Amino acid sequence: KAGVTQTPRYLIKTRGQQVTLSCSPISGHRSVSWYQQTPGQGLQFLFEYFSETQRNKGNFPGRFSGRQFSNSRSEMNVSTLELGDSALYLCASTPGDENTEAFFGQGTRLTVV
Amino acid sequence: TQLLEQSPQFLSIQEGENLTVYCNSSSVFSSLQWYRQEPGEGPVLLVTVVTGGEVKKLKRLTFQFGDARKDSSLHITAAQPGDTGLYLCAGYPMEYGNKLVFGAGTILRVKS
Repeated sequence: KAGVTQTPRYLIKTRGQQVTLSCSPISGHRSVSWYQQTPGQGLQFLFEYFSETQRNKGNFPGRFSGRQFSNSRSEMNVSTLELGDSALYLCASTPGDENTEAFFGQGTRLTVV
Repeated sequence: TQLLEQSPQFLSIQEGENLTVYCNSSSVFSSLQWYRQEPGEGPVLLVTVVTGGEVKKLKRLTFQFGDARKDSSLHITAAQPGDTGLYLCAGYPMEYGNKLVFGAGTILRVKS
């Protein structure tokens, strides 16, 4: 069974640009959650999508948005990039039932210059 | 303030030593999970504990969930260089629904 796939693995963008990251969950999993990981803040929850709807949201500004498609693949978008958005962005896949084990992709390393 | 307080932040030990990592909270969790992460990679799930007082063993790793489901510990016996990595506890707080929250992590370095 294939794991969680995130693309691209690495990205370099300049301030003010926007970026889209992609996550394909484990086959059969219907929930995708996104996290931002930085050395100073650790892993911070961005949002969770289940059956194409945002089910939970963290405390990030509106520049961070996401969506989920009917095949459960999810995309995350960050607009008007800031230097502080440089981080490892991780997506986690679960079957969708509440409080189940989360399986992570390898992440996308975003560097904003 | 982190909902899950993890300690210590850093641990550097010699091969063969034992160690314990703690994860504490004032909130009750429906379950707690432990992950290990290597640089540039995503966290890999080690174990999930669900029942208060539960103890799970994974080779040299022993995980315990507190009776009140507010805390957990990870004990490694006879640590090896291959155990080096970032250890993260995570859980679903009862009052937060389906949001998985993480501790800040413990960076473990095992020297040979």
